[in-house]
Amino acid sequence: SQQGEEDPQALSIQEGENATMNCSYKTSINNLQWYRQNSGRGLVHLILIRSNEREKHSGRLRVTLDTSKKSSSLLITASRAADTASYFCATARGDNYGQNFVFGPGTRLSVLP
Amino acid sequence: DADVTQTPRNRITKTGKRIMLECSQTKGHDRMYWYRQDPGLGLRLIYYSFDVKDINKGEISDGYSVSRQAQAKFSLSLESAIPNQTALYFCATSDDVVGSGKSSYNEQFFGPGTRLTVL
Repeated sequence: SQQGEEDPQALSIQEGENATMNCSYKTSINNLQWYRQNSGRGLVHLILIRSNEREKHSGRLRVTLDTSKKSSSLLITASRAADTASYFCATARGDNYGQNFVFGPGTRLSVLP
Repeated sequence: DADVTQTPRNRITKTGKRIMLECSQTKGHDRMYWYRQDPGLGLRLIYYSFDVKDINKGEISDGYSVSRQAQAKFSLSLESAIPNQTALYFCATSDDVVGSGKSSYNEQFFGPGTRLTVL
């Protein structure tokens, strides 16, 4: 199975509500990154959080990392219709890059007006 | 102008044909990557290159080859396309953190993607 897996697979909320997505992984990591993908387009980097960090903020985004539970969460506050997209976590660990930078299958977020 | 461009954006081809997908970047990054995306599977790494003389296989390199013609250009080839190579293909770049070695993982910048259909 994949190193990083997002939960839930799909999420629908009303505009103005908060959206929380989770990412779980199996082995120790160097950092964890969150990306957004609008339908059929390239991914856009949102936040990188290192293994020695517990929380980071960027605008309406808040990312937490719990290395003891091997999990991360992405919180989008006061969601907007434009936040509708798929969100992916990518875990980075150790050497041998080709095997160790892995994207999860993503969470599809729909923000309804 | 976009920092990472891919050509073509869409391609329909037949089984057995040779296909080349091209990627160019103006970000000045040393590191470039090719991924494929299939529904429900996220992105999987095909090949990556940390500089012009460095080419490495990723998770799913079988059936693919690459060429790093210059720092700014990284091409992906399917020598004999087959239907299960139908997918969305992305090129990406990232900066090289000085002194970090191959274990550093910086944010990646993605191209707009190429939708490839093999009939």
